Amino acid sequence: DAKTTQPTSMDCAEGRAANLPCNHSTISGNEYVYWYRQIHSQGPQYIIHGLKNNETNEMASLIITEDRKSSTLILPHATLRDTAVYYCIVRAYRDNYGQNFVFGPGTRLSVLP
Amino acid sequence: NAGVTQTPKFHILKTGQSMTLQCAQDMNHGYMSWYRQDPGMGLRLIYYSAAAGTTDKEVPNGYNVSRLNTEDFPLRLVSAAPSQTSVYLCASSYPLAGGLKYNEQFFGPGTRLTVL
Repeated sequence: DAKTTQPTSMDCAEGRAANLPCNHSTISGNEYVYWYRQIHSQGPQYIIHGLKNNETNEMASLIITEDRKSSTLILPHATLRDTAVYYCIVRAYRDNYGQNFVFGPGTRLSVLP
Repeated sequence: NAGVTQTPKFHILKTGQSMTLQCAQDMNHGYMSWYRQDPGMGLRLIYYSAAAGTTDKEVPNGYNVSRLNTEDFPLRLVSAAPSQTSVYLCASSYPLAGGLKYNEQFFGPGTRLTVL
């Protein structure tokens, strides 16, 4: 699976959009981009994933560049409860064997009042 | 559904003692796995099980698992060492089926283990 690079930490004002970048320059054609987050003292939680098109759900939007070498997770109106570590993971489609994700250090997002 | 549950939430062990961390899920997921999380290091896979009756390991030393049924996936520390001090996270997911090209992992809240 391709390696990802994320900033160590970011701050965002409450009510503003939080834009979290991720570089994955070695991504291959069959690899998806996943985002998870981990709020303090909880297990990671799935946010969104995509292959090449931009995606949106009730939690966030995912913007993937045309060359797929980078992506941005957007939380449109950040709240204090969005303070968490955000993980960007690139992973290929797999069969039953080896469904596990590799979580790096992630980006620690602090939403400030 | 309770989702993925883990017990205990916290525990302290002495070096050389053994202990079993419990993990259970009520979503009928075939795939379950154990990760450990150390400060600033992300998550590292320890063991996984694709279905009841099967297990496989990523990190060979100091851990054992069993998968006797679909719901439970306990992790055993055979002879605890200080290097095993960590937060242990259990996860489950559906096995991928034909046409389904992604899957979401559901995580439990974790067990914080300290080995003195």
